[in-house]
Amino acid sequence: ETGVTQTPRHLVMGMTNKKSLKCEQHLGHNAMYWYKQSAKKPLELMFVYSLEERVENNSVPSRFSPECPNSSHLFLHLHTLQPEDSALYLCASSQDTSTEANYEQYFGPGTRLTVT
Amino acid sequence: SQQGEEDPQALSIQEGENATMNCSYKTSINNLQWYRQNSGRGLVHLILIRSNEREKHSGRLRVTLDTSKKSSSLLITASRAADTASYFCATHYNTDKLIFGTGTRLQVFP
Repeated sequence: ETGVTQTPRHLVMGMTNKKSLKCEQHLGHNAMYWYKQSAKKPLELMFVYSLEERVENNSVPSRFSPECPNSSHLFLHLHTLQPEDSALYLCASSQDTSTEANYEQYFGPGTRLTVT
Repeated sequence: SQQGEEDPQALSIQEGENATMNCSYKTSINNLQWYRQNSGRGLVHLILIRSNEREKHSGRLRVTLDTSKKSSSLLITASRAADTASYFCATHYNTDKLIFGTGTRLQVFP
């Protein structure tokens, strides 16, 4: 299996549920990202991990909780979400994070989340 | 906001025609990247142009960068129906973040 995979691809959850999104990258990258994509809005960066350490938390509500147990896996734990959290959640990885280097990001197919 | 702004928001053309999309940004950048997204899927990296480069080619793609105008353009030549997708520019500033624009939706009719 190659690239970046995400599971599940679709998720419907109630506001009181707890669920987790999973991302796995098979590229040997050191950095992983969570993005939220809502209709008619730019892609929003949520979290950045570099070598399993969180380096960015973009003012995301605490009902979203990331976990990076190793450089190949990234989770997004969800609890007590709101309907406005319905969106496409995208995971990405890159070789590293750096202000000098120029790294492209590789994206997974996304999880389409619907909160009812 | 530092995000890139794509123009136009939507573009419809016939197969064989060229498609041009533009991106404007606000502050100095390290590089600018173009991505493609098929409906409801992840983004696919197309091309990266560094701040000291003015033009770059990849197959049917041609990207230009004008740092004095803080703008970039993506040209797709001889378009195909399979090019139908949303196209995003993303700018890399002096941080480890990519800032994405709102995208151009391209529809290529056979």
